[in-house]
Amino acid sequence: AQSVAQPEDQVNVAEGNPLTVKCTYSVSGNPYLFWYVQYPNRGLQFLLKYITGDNLVKGSYGFEAEFNKSQTSFHLKKPSALVSDSALYFCAVRDINPPERNTPLVFGKGTRLSVIA
Amino acid sequence: GAGVSQSPSNKVTEKGKDVELRCDPISGHTALYWYRQSLGQGLEFLIYFQGNSAPDKSGLPSDRFSAERTGGSVSTLTIQRTQQEDSAVYLCASSLIGDRSPLHFGNGTRLTVT
Repeated sequence: AQSVAQPEDQVNVAEGNPLTVKCTYSVSGNPYLFWYVQYPNRGLQFLLKYITGDNLVKGSYGFEAEFNKSQTSFHLKKPSALVSDSALYFCAVRDINPPERNTPLVFGKGTRLSVIA
Repeated sequence: GAGVSQSPSNKVTEKGKDVELRCDPISGHTALYWYRQSLGQGLEFLIYFQGNSAPDKSGLPSDRFSAERTGGSVSTLTIQRTQQEDSAVYLCASSLIGDRSPLHFGNGTRLTVT
């Protein structure tokens, strides 16, 4: 069964500095990987996904993530953090195990990002 | 267009009572998910409906939990004989068919069991 680990409950970064939110995964086949963000008192929003192709994927709000198969990681990054980026971030994985079947999307426990002015 | 709609937004119930939570997915979305979000527990997968296939119920925590999806659209999550540990935010999400489609989430139902 697939699983996701977000090793940091909380990440603090100063505004203008680069940020990284870590994610590692475990699947038996190949992964589809996703990042979602939850702003205070709002629903989860899709940020970006890795399906295939280029290991560096770009998403909304200037975020990007790098798929690293050897390290089974999909860390979320942004070159310059904004105070408005403060939110709860979730990594998610779906296991694509041939023959292709529909498996549920499994989420990590989330990482709270605080960007300090 | 309209997003995923969940009702009620808040529900307070007494321990032992049954509750029903409703989800209206985005029109045309054939996949529908229920998740539970508790403090410190992240998003816990509960159940997954995909088109006309049998639902994946592997995440339901006990037989007190059940869900149905009528006519391939609206879904209802039912919790029988509620317990205090059932208190959480219950999130519904829908997506287009296929493994690559991102999920669209509703705002959730906050359930409090007293």
